[in-house]
Amino acid sequence: EVQLVESGGGLVKPGGSLRLSCAASDFTFRNYNMNWVRQAPGMWPEWVSSISGSRGDTSYAHSVKGRFTISRDNAKNSLYLQLTSLRAEDTAVYYCARDYDSGGYYYMDVWGKGTTVTVSS
Amino acid sequence: DIQMTQSPSFLSASVGGRVTITCRAGQTISSFLNWYQQKPGKAPNLLIFAASSLLTGVPSRFSGSGSGTDFTLTISNLQSEDFATYYCQQSYSTPYTFGQGTKLEIK
Repeated sequence: EVQLVESGGGLVKPGGSLRLSCAASDFTFRNYNMNWVRQAPGMWPEWVSSISGSRGDTSYAHSVKGRFTISRDNAKNSLYLQLTSLRAEDTAVYYCARDYDSGGYYYMDVWGKGTTVTVSS
Repeated sequence: DIQMTQSPSFLSASVGGRVTITCRAGQTISSFLNWYQQKPGKAPNLLIFAASSLLTGVPSRFSGSGSGTDFTLTISNLQSEDFATYYCQQSYSTPYTFGQGTKLEIK
């Protein structure tokens, strides 16, 4: 079964760091762009970052640019998000999601269950 | 950034009924519009991509339409499992953006 499983969330103090991981299974990971999407309590989803499948081109939301770093290891079928200089407003459930390309139309067709990041002193 | 505005924010309907949710983009996005359903404590689940293409396995009572800046999601013959929150999302350009959601409740 195609699956994404996130890990690495937790409670961290403002200014702290955390590294999230996403393990992919049952699909050819290197062929897909991947995303991180977060959702703060009671809010709508917010796209955080994307990375392309083979070249590793990256893009970021303005709110996290310069603080978060997305990366991937295609040999390990894994996606990562390094979070630094964390703020209270980064508190959210963080999802990894696969980007599917259907003739140039992209959509996030497979999502993990999410991992919770709480930034609080 | 492309702002996505959904309406209404809340919707109340009966089983067997029909509802329409609207999503407006802040600039033209052609048909680069996706619709997701989310239930409490779960990840969003894709329903429709490219504005009107139903993902395989999604019931045909779900339909999407629109292009440019104005889009709609229609759910006919509502079933109990359809009561959830719905989000539109543009994939025209990064940063990808979502609408603020429409919560569909049972009347």
